[in-house]
Amino acid sequence: GIQVEQSPPDLILQEGANSTLRCNFSDSVNNLQWFHQNPWGQLINLFYIPSGTKQNGRLSATTVATERYSLLYISSSQTTDSGVYFCAVDNTDKLIFGTGTRLQVFP
Amino acid sequence: DAGITQSPRHKVTETGTPVTLRCHQTENHRYMYWYRQDPGHGLRLIHYSYGVKDTDKGEVSDGYSVSRSKTEDFLLTLESATSSQTSVYFCAIRTGGEWNEQFFGPGTRLTVL
Repeated sequence: GIQVEQSPPDLILQEGANSTLRCNFSDSVNNLQWFHQNPWGQLINLFYIPSGTKQNGRLSATTVATERYSLLYISSSQTTDSGVYFCAVDNTDKLIFGTGTRLQVFP
Repeated sequence: DAGITQSPRHKVTETGTPVTLRCHQTENHRYMYWYRQDPGHGLRLIHYSYGVKDTDKGEVSDGYSVSRSKTEDFLLTLESATSSQTSVYFCAIRTGGEWNEQFFGPGTRLTVL
């Protein structure tokens, strides 16, 4: 089946810093989503982005489907950005998740 | 929040007992999913449904069964719970159509002693 790899596994930032999270996948996909799991365990949809670029406030994402990767950019990070960021892909009506990037933002 | 609720939100049970988790949605989405989340594994698909009485297995289906008798409810049953089924369980819906985006419920934390 399709493999999803995320990097880095852990990231520690000071408030105000920028970061880039990467998601590589092993096959063509119909769907790619980025999620943020907050410290209370809630999964929050960030982007639905099978291809192209989208922006939402301080966050943006780019998926290059032909090269099988996606990037999530977080600018001017805040402590509320802390948590785990998951990439998930789908080519058969079922999402396959990466193991996530754990982000800690300190004041 | 896509109108997804899960019950119970927390449960502690003993090995060998049956357990049923409920997922309820209010928006008549056709596709519903059950995932489990364990440290080091991210989320893994247990079972999913593509309509009333239509279900299929996911990556980690052994020891679990599901039922969907109404569009709005998707039940996950552990016939005889084991300690390896201690996990956080998430239900999800898929919006379908042009957008195949999945949205998740709040999760159920299950502990099997």
